[in-house]
Amino acid sequence: GENVEQHPSTLSVQEGDSAVIKCTYSDSASNYFPWYKQELGKRPQLIIDIRSNVGEKKDQRIAVTLNKTAKHFSLHITETQPEDSAVYFCAATQPKRGSNYKLTFGKGTLLTVNP
Amino acid sequence: KAGVTQTPRYLIKTRGQQVTLSCSPISGHRSVSWYQQTPGQGLQFLFEYFSETQRNKGNFPGRFSGRQFSNSRSEMNVSTLELGDSALYLCASSFGAGNYNEQFFGPGTRLTVL
Repeated sequence: GENVEQHPSTLSVQEGDSAVIKCTYSDSASNYFPWYKQELGKRPQLIIDIRSNVGEKKDQRIAVTLNKTAKHFSLHITETQPEDSAVYFCAATQPKRGSNYKLTFGKGTLLTVNP
Repeated sequence: KAGVTQTPRYLIKTRGQQVTLSCSPISGHRSVSWYQQTPGQGLQFLFEYFSETQRNKGNFPGRFSGRQFSNSRSEMNVSTLELGDSALYLCASSFGAGNYNEQFFGPGTRLTVL
């Protein structure tokens, strides 16, 4: 089955700096890569996603890049703010005939933005 | 639209007992997935239901089971509880059956097994 590795497990940055979180996946059939943000005590929420036919996607201060050949994808947050502090999860999905997708998550990155 | 809801929010059980958790998806959503979240293992997929049928299953023992009703509400059952089952159980709903449907998570049920 799919295996998703996520690094680093913790990341501390100063407000205004950039943060980068990297994930690798094992199943070349994976074709959808969402990123979720989970604030302390809250539910995970989708912040950005990318499909396998796209190399990069940007939404304001966040962007995701995908390298299908190397089977890795990254989340980039620019101009970080204290409210960006949370756990970020990457995920990969594998299409399955006649079924909804199955999300395999990385183990998460705790991002701390210091004011 | 109301979000995904889960009941109860907190549960304390002892080893050997069984427990049933409930998930109500967003109105109109037909797919419900369940995840176990622990500090060491992160979010692990349990199973997914669509139109009352289990269509995907993760690598959990048979003590973990689920079902979905005709109104798309879903329940998850864990029998013969073990200490290691202590976790946050999250359900997520999505609208359709395609690969790109966003999953919306509920607040979770925090299960503690003593």
